[in-house]
Amino acid sequence: DTAVSQTPKYLVTQMGNDKSIKCEQNLGHDTMYWYKQDSKKFLKIMFSYNNKELIINETVPNRFSPKSPDKAHLNLHINSLELGDSAVYFCASSHRTGHEQYFGPGTRLTVT
Amino acid sequence: KQEVTQIPAALSVPEGENLVLNCSFTDSAIYNLQWFRQDPGKGLTSLLLIQSSQREQTSGRLNASLDKSSGRSTLYIAASQPGDSATYLCAVYLVDQGGKLIFGQGTELSVKP
Repeated sequence: DTAVSQTPKYLVTQMGNDKSIKCEQNLGHDTMYWYKQDSKKFLKIMFSYNNKELIINETVPNRFSPKSPDKAHLNLHINSLELGDSAVYFCASSHRTGHEQYFGPGTRLTVT
Repeated sequence: KQEVTQIPAALSVPEGENLVLNCSFTDSAIYNLQWFRQDPGKGLTSLLLIQSSQREQTSGRLNASLDKSSGRSTLYIAASQPGDSATYLCAVYLVDQGGKLIFGQGTELSVKP
């Protein structure tokens, strides 16, 4: 009965590659988010979608492109991966903006 | 610019102690404040959410308070247990910025048996 799920859990890839992380929520929420947690464990929002529309784009390089095919899914595609992209990426969802957020288990991305 | 600070960065206590984790924020124009728990290598688990109009929320051994005017929140954990060992994060929701959640750096709690 996973509420917010992400795949894959671990992703190891080389610089310059393109990769995607998928997120799905079965909570019926309208709003979904992507966060990045760096090596110092600091969490920062990257994107937020409400009803498939982008509402927050937090000065993230345009190599990162979120895509929301429907309200239950928010995928993150990253082009031309760099060493500095190594981090844990978390997906989250909430009923609507301002409501309690529920987080996925995270995807640990390692760029070599 | 909203900044969220958590003190202390790390805390170690013997089992059974009551403890307080602190969170402060620089801009009082928040919609709500949420406390999370993060276990090593895991995602975040929501513990408590306090609306800006509320003073406190309780769940089991946890009690969170909010003083919006002074920009402070505390998380009180009663009768701590080794299973409470984790990193505790507070985050504030900013209404005027598309519902952005701003996180503190967390307090790493270790409860010794």
